[in-house]
Amino acid sequence: DIVVTQSPDSLAVSLGERATINCKSSQSVLYSSNNKNYLAWYQKKPGQPPKLLIYWASTRESGVPDRFSGSGSGTDFTLTISSLQAEDVAVYYCHQYYSPPPGTFGPGTKVEIK
Amino acid sequence: EVQLVESGGGLVQPGRSLRLSCTASGFTFGDYALNWFRQAPGKGLEWVGFIRSKAYGGTTEYAASVKGRFTVSRDDPKSIAYLQMNSLKTEDTAVYYCTRPPFQYCSSTSCYLDVWGQGTTVTVSS
Repeated sequence: DIVVTQSPDSLAVSLGERATINCKSSQSVLYSSNNKNYLAWYQKKPGQPPKLLIYWASTRESGVPDRFSGSGSGTDFTLTISSLQAEDVAVYYCHQYYSPPPGTFGPGTKVEIK
Repeated sequence: EVQLVESGGGLVQPGRSLRLSCTASGFTFGDYALNWFRQAPGKGLEWVGFIRSKAYGGTTEYAASVKGRFTVSRDDPKSIAYLQMNSLKTEDTAVYYCTRPPFQYCSSTSCYLDVWGQGTTVTVSS
């Protein structure tokens, strides 16, 4: 089974500053036949369902602000919030969907305002 | 608008049963796989179960923590998926979400999950 880890567990960032979340999979999630990384990012706020932010490691979902970006390949990935806004306070999860359904979710990273 | 709406949550005693429903609208329900996830208080997201579309056999998969106790089923003409939960334990207390992947072929392979319901709360307590 592919294990997904995230770091840090939590981080506090000042408004307008950059937030960076890391995600690491125990095996590569890059599918060689289509050169796509099977990695997604979700935002989870209290009382709300998870919201898809990024898929294929770097493709932003429609309607997601461009301050959110995803990068990385193979086993190491990053979600970056370029300029943290108050409404970005949430827990962020990465999800590898390379292995059989449903794939594996990371444990989450909590983002707070400093 | 593509939408999933969960219902059926509530307070139930340990050892009892509960059935959750996930009602879909805005898309051809029968063409898609459907997952159930949950989030216990203070915990992360946990996958519960999965049902493939009938075109892919309509078969199911379960997390080890619920296998043998929970059953996912679907009624395609009604556009409803069900999560039958038996022999409930206090550790099953959580908000339960149904979620749909974006493509019909996601019954045969993993996909990201682009549509989520609002969730329904299950509390298992005596």
